[in-house]
Amino acid sequence: DVKVTQSSRYLVKRTGEKVFLECVQDMDHENMFWYRQDPGLGLRLIYFSYDVKMKEKGDIPEGYSVSREKKERFSLILESASTNQTSMYLCASQNPGLRNTEAFFGQGTRLTVV
Amino acid sequence: KNQVEQSPQSLIILEGKNCTLQCNYTVSPFSNLRWYKQDTGRGPVSLTIMTFSENTKSNGRYTATLDADTKQSSLHITASQLSDSASYICVVSARAAGNKLTFGGGTRVLVKP
Repeated sequence: DVKVTQSSRYLVKRTGEKVFLECVQDMDHENMFWYRQDPGLGLRLIYFSYDVKMKEKGDIPEGYSVSREKKERFSLILESASTNQTSMYLCASQNPGLRNTEAFFGQGTRLTVV
Repeated sequence: KNQVEQSPQSLIILEGKNCTLQCNYTVSPFSNLRWYKQDTGRGPVSLTIMTFSENTKSNGRYTATLDADTKQSSLHITASQLSDSASYICVVSARAAGNKLTFGGGTRVLVKP
């Protein structure tokens, strides 16, 4: 079974704090993604990575950065947390292929910035 | 711009009844389409995945269809159960760097006894 594990289910942080969200996958997948999910807006792509040290901006990268030093780990960083970054954050991994490119999701991290 | 539209936004059905969810997309070039089920407070879990050449796929009581010509998909839930209460998300993948995913807004299904 593919496992995508996010380091925390729930986090509460203060405005201005630096926040790290960690994601680890155990299937040697090349692609990894960070999304945020908000009511009425669905899932929106923040950043994705298709190889170690490679990253690309998604649709809403402002206020976020990422790190992929090892293939199995993809970190999302909030440099200075703000209340509008309160959201559910979902990590996904995927092995790109010609046919079956299913993405597997972590359980999500619900971040509250106060 | 790649888009995925789902309808209805929400749906209430009685236990044991069937329902059909719709997904229209404009993603190009198309790679595949998946339906995910997301329970409240959890990450999405894959139900089905279909490529261009597949027009129907089943997973238990869930049956997905794909019409690549009209760029439409549907997810049919047969004999609904209380555990089917969840959000159902249609996701389309484009054949491009990173196989970027485009998500629909989801359909929230509530099954009542």
